[in-house]
Amino acid sequence: DVKVTQSSRYLVKRTGEKVFLECVQDMDHENMFWYRQDPGLGLRLIYFSYDVKMKEKGDIPEGYSVSREKKERFSLILESASTNQTSMYLCASSTFRGSFSGNTIYFGEGSWLTVV
Amino acid sequence: ELKVEQNPLFLSMQEGKNYTIYCNYSTTSDRLYWYRQDPGKSLESLFVLLSNGAVKQEGRLMASLDTKARLSTLHITAAVHDLSATYFCAVGGAQKLVFGQGTRLTINP
Repeated sequence: DVKVTQSSRYLVKRTGEKVFLECVQDMDHENMFWYRQDPGLGLRLIYFSYDVKMKEKGDIPEGYSVSREKKERFSLILESASTNQTSMYLCASSTFRGSFSGNTIYFGEGSWLTVV
Repeated sequence: ELKVEQNPLFLSMQEGKNYTIYCNYSTTSDRLYWYRQDPGKSLESLFVLLSNGAVKQEGRLMASLDTKARLSTLHITAAVHDLSATYFCAVGGAQKLVFGQGTRLTINP
């Protein structure tokens, strides 16, 4: 089974702190994603990466950056956390390989971030 | 810009009843996904629909896709309490998905 692991499930940070959210996948997937989930808004894409050292902005990249130094690891960075970044953050991965019809996107368990 | 809308956003139903969740999207897309999310948990993939007229069924859930109408439905047959969860549809390709707002489904005994 595909496993997407987010290292921190629950974090509380102060306004202005630098925050790192780490995500690791074990299936050699090319694509990795960071979403945030807020009530009534569904999931919104922050950034995604389709290869090592490659990144693309999603729909809400402001206030975030990402790092993908290794294929299996995709980090989300909040340079200076603010209270409006309190949310649940979901990492996901997918692959181009295999049958087109079989492709899906796999999600981690989520990281609940509270900024106070 | 691709937009995805679900309705209803909240649904409370009795066990044994049937109901349908609707997912509308604004532009042509590769594929449509349905996901389930239990409280405090991650998203579990239910269905991937790839072509017009596609229908997939798993237990009491059946999903269909009408690409001409840009509409997918998730039909629940004879609901049971275990199906209480939030259901999301998502549209896009392997590199980017746009999600609907989610439908919170509560099934009462």
